[in-house]
Amino acid sequence: GDSVTQMEGPVTLSEEACLTINCTYTATGYPSLFWYVQYPGEGLQLLLKATKADDKGSNKGFEATYRKETTSFHLEKGSVQVSDSAVYFCALDTGGFKTIFGAGTRLFVKA
Amino acid sequence: DTEVTQTPKHLVMGMTNKKSLKCEQHMGHRAMYWYKQKAKKPPELMFVYSYEKLSINESVPSRFSPECPNSSLLNLHLHALQPEDSALYLCASSPPGQAYEQYFGPGTRLTVT
Repeated sequence: GDSVTQMEGPVTLSEEACLTINCTYTATGYPSLFWYVQYPGEGLQLLLKATKADDKGSNKGFEATYRKETTSFHLEKGSVQVSDSAVYFCALDTGGFKTIFGAGTRLFVKA
Repeated sequence: DTEVTQTPKHLVMGMTNKKSLKCEQHMGHRAMYWYKQKAKKPPELMFVYSYEKLSINESVPSRFSPECPNSSLLNLHLHALQPEDSALYLCASSPPGQAYEQYFGPGTRLTVT
């Protein structure tokens, strides 16, 4: 069945460091791919999305490129801030109402 | 208005109580969702309503009873819950034809004693 695998956390970085959170997927067909972010005590927010191969999603300095050949959608940011500390979920949707989430990666950014 | 609101923010209930969670959106979305999220886990889908009709029930126990009175409102009625039902309950909605783009509310933190 369809699935999402993302790197285990927690990831701890210093402010202004580069971030990469790996995400790979298994799906039949052509899924849409997403990154959601969950700040402490809050619900999930859609961070960025890509709906077809080679699309790049970007938002708030974060980027991810839909790579069909490697079935990947890695999240990157060039310079993280303390306010980026949160849990990041990679997710896919193959149509219909069901979104498949990865396990989540917790990011801590130190000042 | 571009948000999903949920009430209450926190709820503590005994195993014999009956309570309800409420979710509201005014974005014209016609699909609404209930998720359950345990600590350090991703959300788990419980129910989906599309155009006020129940489309998906992920084999949720009958002690959880969803209701969609109109296109803006979604309720989750709770009765005879167990301590293991303690979790964050998230509501979400999505625009017509874009089920993949879900907008989440802040959640209700439920504790069953």
